Amino acid sequence: DAKTTQPNSMESNEEEPVHLPCNHSTISGTDYIHWYRQLPSQGPEYVIHGLTSNVNNRMASLAIAEDRKSSTLILHRATLRDAAVYYCIPTYDKIIFGKGTRLHILP
Amino acid sequence: GAGVSQSPRYKVAKRGQDVALRCDPISGHVSLFWYQQALGQGPEFLTYFQNEAQLDKSGLPSDRFFAERPEGSVSTLKIQRTQQEDSAVYLCASSLDLGSYEQYFGPGTRLTVT
Repeated sequence: DAKTTQPNSMESNEEEPVHLPCNHSTISGTDYIHWYRQLPSQGPEYVIHGLTSNVNNRMASLAIAEDRKSSTLILHRATLRDAAVYYCIPTYDKIIFGKGTRLHILP
Repeated sequence: GAGVSQSPRYKVAKRGQDVALRCDPISGHVSLFWYQQALGQGPEFLTYFQNEAQLDKSGLPSDRFFAERPEGSVSTLKIQRTQQEDSAVYLCASSLDLGSYEQYFGPGTRLTVT
């Protein structure tokens, strides 16, 4: 399994963009880069995933470095509801959660 | 449509009792995963199935833990002779397949062993 490095915590102001970084230098060629988040007292929730190209969906955007050794999850306009732990997970099969980044949103 | 459901939502067991936790995945989902989440920690992988085949059980903490999915749909996680350290939320997730498919998580079963 690829090792990941994410900041322990980050803060952002409400209604501003947030960039959550992740290093995954040992990623293998077949691994997809998945992002999940876990809101307080809830199960994890899928956010986005990609392989090589940048991806957009209604929740977020995913920017993947050309060498695939890092990626950035972008929340375009953070709301209080986005306060959660965000996990970056390179994988082809089972999801292995690391420590993630705890995102705090300031009103 | 219906998401992943788990039952019971809460379970209190006395130390030494056996428990069975049920997961109903989304209909048609081939892959099913179990996780254990202790208080204040991230989810820890336990095991996963492709249809009825248990492909990876490397995360099961001891031989007291057993999971099955006999018909490739509903799954049961059984814990024998529960210990206090088994107290956690047990999460189930399902996906259409492996690889590029997202996992959908259930609400979890909170197990408290007294």
